[in-house]
Amino acid sequence: QKEVEQNSGPLSVPEGAIASLNCTYSDRGSQSFFWYRQYSGKSPELIMSIYSNGDKEDGRFTAQLNKASQYVSLLIRDSQPSDSATYLCAVPPRSNDYKLSFGAGTTVTVRA
Amino acid sequence: DVKVTQSSRYLVKRTGEKVFLECVQDMDHENMFWYRQDPGLGLRLIYFSYDVKMKEKGDIPEGYSVSREKKERFSLILESASTNQTSMYLCASESGTGLAYEQYFGPGTRLTVT
Repeated sequence: QKEVEQNSGPLSVPEGAIASLNCTYSDRGSQSFFWYRQYSGKSPELIMSIYSNGDKEDGRFTAQLNKASQYVSLLIRDSQPSDSATYLCAVPPRSNDYKLSFGAGTTVTVRA
Repeated sequence: DVKVTQSSRYLVKRTGEKVFLECVQDMDHENMFWYRQDPGLGLRLIYFSYDVKMKEKGDIPEGYSVSREKKERFSLILESASTNQTSMYLCASESGTGLAYEQYFGPGTRLTVT
């Protein structure tokens, strides 16, 4: 089993819709979870971090964490064409690790 | 804001050359990382450093070495470049609070080995 798995995509949503991205991880003891956005040809940019069960909102982005089910999701509300990018989920491979394992990414296209 | 810079955006080298990629961060971060990113393979960790002169191998260290003589600077060295090292190389830094924390990436170096 891969350490971090994301829904493969690509995901195409109309402008104004909600884009929903999912990520599952293998180590039940993981404590920190991150979402990065990567535009084509650019480096990853941190957009959300979440450490506790539940929801965390930041503008149009909401991260949801469920440690019992070992998944973390990212919702993008009111999607804009500028949200078109690849979204990477990152989780430590082991609970006491300070490295991160990255998912393969989900490419989102927002149709105007 | 955290700023991570990399010495070159684009680099073309010949097979067998020794290649140096340099990364500098300005936030006094403890941990620094070198990744490569290839289509279909995602981000893969090459090496990381958790303190000056301290380093650990990541998932794909073969053919690479690193140097961290100062806290703000982390260098990746390709001892003898090969065509299969053509890739996007990304450096990241992290504050090092003890648990995995937010990593901040530099702009990347796209290396082509011919």
